[in-house]
Amino acid sequence: GNSVTQMEGPVTLSEEAFLTINCTYTATGYPSLFWYVQYPGEGLQLLLKATKADDKGSNKGFEATYRKETTSFHLEKGSVQVSDSAVYFCALSEDAGKSTFGDGTTLTVKP
Amino acid sequence: NAGVTQTPKFRILKIGQSMTLQCTQDMNHNYMYWYRQDPGMGLKLIYYSVGAGITDKGEVPNGYNVSRSTTEDFPLRLELAAPSQTSVYFCASSWRRGSTDTQYFGPGTRLTVL
Repeated sequence: GNSVTQMEGPVTLSEEAFLTINCTYTATGYPSLFWYVQYPGEGLQLLLKATKADDKGSNKGFEATYRKETTSFHLEKGSVQVSDSAVYFCALSEDAGKSTFGDGTTLTVKP
Repeated sequence: NAGVTQTPKFRILKIGQSMTLQCTQDMNHNYMYWYRQDPGMGLKLIYYSVGAGITDKGEVPNGYNVSRSTTEDFPLRLELAAPSQTSVYFCASSWRRGSTDTQYFGPGTRLTVL
């Protein structure tokens, strides 16, 4: 079946540091890939997505590129802020009605 | 446009009690989902629905039931609550087109079973 593997956290960075959160996936077909963010006490919300190979999703300074050859969708941001502190989930969507989520990576950004 | 709403926000149940978690969306989405999120873990799909009158099991359906009588509502029923059902429950919805399935989540219900 499908699976998503994220780098383990927690990740702690200083403000303005560079962020990478690794995500690799296993899928039988051609999934769409997503990054969701969860702020404390809230539900998940879409951060960015990519629907086919070599697509780059971007939002709020975050980027991720759909790499079919390495089955990866790593999340990056050039300069993190304290307000980026949250839990980040990588996910894929392929079969009807079923998305697969990673276990989440907790990011803490210190001033 | 409220999006996805869930009630209650918090609930404490005793072992063996039953309850219904409510979920409503006002985006006319065809797909709806129930997930549970255990501490430090990702989301596990409990049930999903592709439209009114149609539901299907997800990864962890045991101990739960759902119904989808309208497009807007997708309640989750817990029968005979057990401590293993202590979790945060999220409802989500989407307008599915192919594999592009951006889900919109409610704020969650934090359930404790003692």
